Amino acid sequence: GAVVSQHPSWVICKSGTSVKIECRSLDFQATTMFWYRQFPKQSLMLMATSNEGSKATYEQGVEKDKFLINHASLTLSTLTVTSAHPEDSSFYICRIPDTAGITFGSGTRLTVV
Amino acid sequence: RKEVEQDPGPFNVPEGATVAFNCTYSNSASQSFFWYRQDCRKEPKLLMSVYSSGNEDGRFTAQLNRASQYISLLIRDSKLSDSATYLCVVNPFNAGGTSYGKLTFGQGTILTVHP
Repeated sequence: GAVVSQHPSWVICKSGTSVKIECRSLDFQATTMFWYRQFPKQSLMLMATSNEGSKATYEQGVEKDKFLINHASLTLSTLTVTSAHPEDSSFYICRIPDTAGITFGSGTRLTVV
Repeated sequence: RKEVEQDPGPFNVPEGATVAFNCTYSNSASQSFFWYRQDCRKEPKLLMSVYSSGNEDGRFTAQLNRASQYISLLIRDSKLSDSATYLCVVNPFNAGGTSYGKLTFGQGTILTVHP
């Protein structure tokens, strides 16, 4: 399967600041990438689907102005958590649909203090 | 009703035990099914796909019952290293071409194997 690089792996930020998370597909051209969020002891929840060269598709209940997604190339998608608050603290993880089926990034643990 | 439902556990078993996890899904149009393993603070890793005929990979056996919309995972001869959260994952769309659509995750079943 494809190799996916996600960083940072963890970040601590102050409330009100913005945090950018990058997801890179190292050997696969991904026209689509998925962004998930996972709170402790809960399931992964799909937040949005990023589409190369066009707007992302957000799941119901996800604020698109708060979680900015950019998919400017076939190998890079970014998720920016704007004006982060403690309730945004979570595990964020990207996934690309490659020929093997399912490949996840290593995840980013965000802590907002 | 949740789209994918699992017993969250936790399951605490001794080494060598056999343990089974169950999962039910609500979307009868679901096409693909998987079991993932997730270690603490790590990304999920594919354990095995689940086929209608049932499939086995070493100590792990997965089964699918489409009529009952039910998936199971059996782990034989448990090892300490099997301790993890096991996620039942369902793809409600036809896999088609070479890409998979959105996935729906169960909340996971926690397994702890002790000496």
